[in-house]
Amino acid sequence: GQNIDQPTEMTATEGAIVQINCTYQTSGFNGLFWYQQHAGEAPTFLSYNVLDGLEEKGRFSSFLSRSKGYSYLLLKELQMKDSASYLCARISGYSTLTFGKGTMLLVSP
Amino acid sequence: DTGVSQDPRHKITKRGQNVTFRCDPISEHNRLYWYRQTLGQGPEFLTYFQNEAQLEKSRLLSDRFSAERPKGSFSTLEIQRTEQGDSAMYLCASSRDSSSGNTIYFGEGSWLTVV
Repeated sequence: GQNIDQPTEMTATEGAIVQINCTYQTSGFNGLFWYQQHAGEAPTFLSYNVLDGLEEKGRFSSFLSRSKGYSYLLLKELQMKDSASYLCARISGYSTLTFGKGTMLLVSP
Repeated sequence: DTGVSQDPRHKITKRGQNVTFRCDPISEHNRLYWYRQTLGQGPEFLTYFQNEAQLEKSRLLSDRFSAERPKGSFSTLEIQRTEQGDSAMYLCASSRDSSSGNTIYFGEGSWLTVV
């Protein structure tokens, strides 16, 4: 299987840093994506990792460890608009994505 | 706007009716995907096209569902004899045919409510 596990909910305060973890089954792994999804909207691309290590892009960074089947998304200097669902997805086969259920992040003042 | 576009954005239909959704991918994107998403869940893969060829179908895709991409550009997803369990957001996505980092871009989705 390709089970993808991530926490259901997280809360954090404006200006803080939050780390959202994701674990996945390693067989047939071809890459890992993070998407942001606001309520009622489509997922928007945040990051793509295929090699081990940290990829930094502004306030968002994503980390991958292929041997451990583990990734995290790091959000810095949280803003209210960052309240959303964050979806971890692994790529396999014909580049199809298998998504986790998403982590609902609530940022409070 | 050159993103993935979907039509209609919202559809309410009576149980038993047929519905069709259209997706126009980003131009130059050879790959096109359909996903379905229900509340509180991540998107679930339904089917995948490379150009006009349907290369992969999920076991979630029952006989009532059919997808086409006749000229390798836009795609349609038809649901026949709709059931209440079909109520969901249907997402279309596209990507380039590249061996490295095929970022998959999603459309705004088509919401289906079956009453």
